Amino acid sequence: SAVISQKPSRDICQRGTSLTIQCQVDSQVTMMFWYRQQPGQSLTLIATANQGSEATYESGFVIDKFPISRPNLTFSTLTVSNMSPEDSSIYLCSVESRGDTQYFGPGTRLTVL
Amino acid sequence: RKEVEQDPGPFNVPEGATVAFNCTYSNSASQSFFWYRQDCRKEPKLLMSVYSSGNEDGRFTAQLNRASQYISLLIRDSKLSDSATYLCVVGYNKLIFGAGTRLAVHP
Repeated sequence: SAVISQKPSRDICQRGTSLTIQCQVDSQVTMMFWYRQQPGQSLTLIATANQGSEATYESGFVIDKFPISRPNLTFSTLTVSNMSPEDSSIYLCSVESRGDTQYFGPGTRLTVL
Repeated sequence: RKEVEQDPGPFNVPEGATVAFNCTYSNSASQSFFWYRQDCRKEPKLLMSVYSSGNEDGRFTAQLNRASQYISLLIRDSKLSDSATYLCVVGYNKLIFGAGTRLAVHP
């Protein structure tokens, strides 16, 4: 499976600010995904990021709030914009391997005050 | 109705016990099925894929019943290190995660 890293691993931010989370993979992958896991909840897909095209967002998530970049086949960023305490969550990136199997990065734990 | 439903638990079992988790899904067109394991404050990790023919990996056995839209995971001879949350995951265009079943194995 791919080795995936995320930066930062955690952050505490003030409301109204923005945070950009980076996801780096050690091999080229076509599909990258961004998920959110709120406290005590399971994972919810935010968007799918393909290289060379705009990200595809799931219902309830919009580009203005969660802009995504995918400049190449090994890297992606997710920005959480104009943060509020409700954005406090763990944000995870994942990559798709054979079939639908996905492997996850270690996550970014975000707290918004 | 949730797309993927699991018993949240927790399941508290002694070491050596056999424990079974169940999961149901609502989309009959689902094409791929997995069990992931998530330890506290860690990312989910793939435990095993699930096939209609059933599959086994050591102490872990997964079964899929497409007609009933039901997935199961059986853990035999539980170890303390099996304590985690087990996520049932179903794929159709995207992966849908269940809320997870917590397992606590005690000495």
